[in-house]
Amino acid sequence: DTAVSQTPKYLVTQMGNDKSIKCEQNLGHDTMYWYKQDSKKFLKIMFSYNNKELIINETVPNRFSPKSPDKAHLNLHINSLELGDSAVYFCASSQDWAGFEETQYFGPGTRLLVL
Amino acid sequence: AQSVTQLGSHVSVSEGALVLLRCNYSSSVPPYLFWYVQYPNQGLQLLLKYTSAATLVKGINGFEAEFKKSETSFHLTKPSAHMSDAAEYFCAVSVGAGNQFYFGTGTSLTVIP
Repeated sequence: DTAVSQTPKYLVTQMGNDKSIKCEQNLGHDTMYWYKQDSKKFLKIMFSYNNKELIINETVPNRFSPKSPDKAHLNLHINSLELGDSAVYFCASSQDWAGFEETQYFGPGTRLLVL
Repeated sequence: AQSVTQLGSHVSVSEGALVLLRCNYSSSVPPYLFWYVQYPNQGLQLLLKYTSAATLVKGINGFEAEFKKSETSFHLTKPSAHMSDAAEYFCAVSVGAGNQFYFGTGTSLTVIP
């Protein structure tokens, strides 16, 4: 009965490869997010989708492409991986995006290591 | 611009001692503030949030935080630290369209037996 789940949990790959991370939430939420946590534990929003529509797109290289097939899923595809992409990627969801007080629920994270 | 600053990237307390983790915010509008905890190799879990209903907010695991507008602060406290409290703690402010969160840089709490 996991609320927000991500696969895979660990991802080790070579520079230049393309990889995807999947996220699913079973909370019935309308809004989903991707965050990147760097080696110093700093968390930064990358993308936000509401009901399959992109609403936040921070300054992220266009090698990163989110895809939301339905409102319960938000996947992250990364092309031409670089060393600097090594980080922990967190998926999160909230009931909706309009209320500033909406709690965001986080997944367990995907630890990406690019060699 | 909205932001949060967490003073002290590392805090150590003895088991049973008071825990005080500091968070100051900068916001041009009334802020919505959150404290999250991250245990090793896990995702973030909500501890508590301030939504203007009450300035003293009680959360899970015995934590509480007080919103002080005059000091632009939202410090997290717990009267008596437990070994299981050792974790990374993040303060966040929610602003703007899209429920966008801005996180502080985190405070790593160590509890000494």
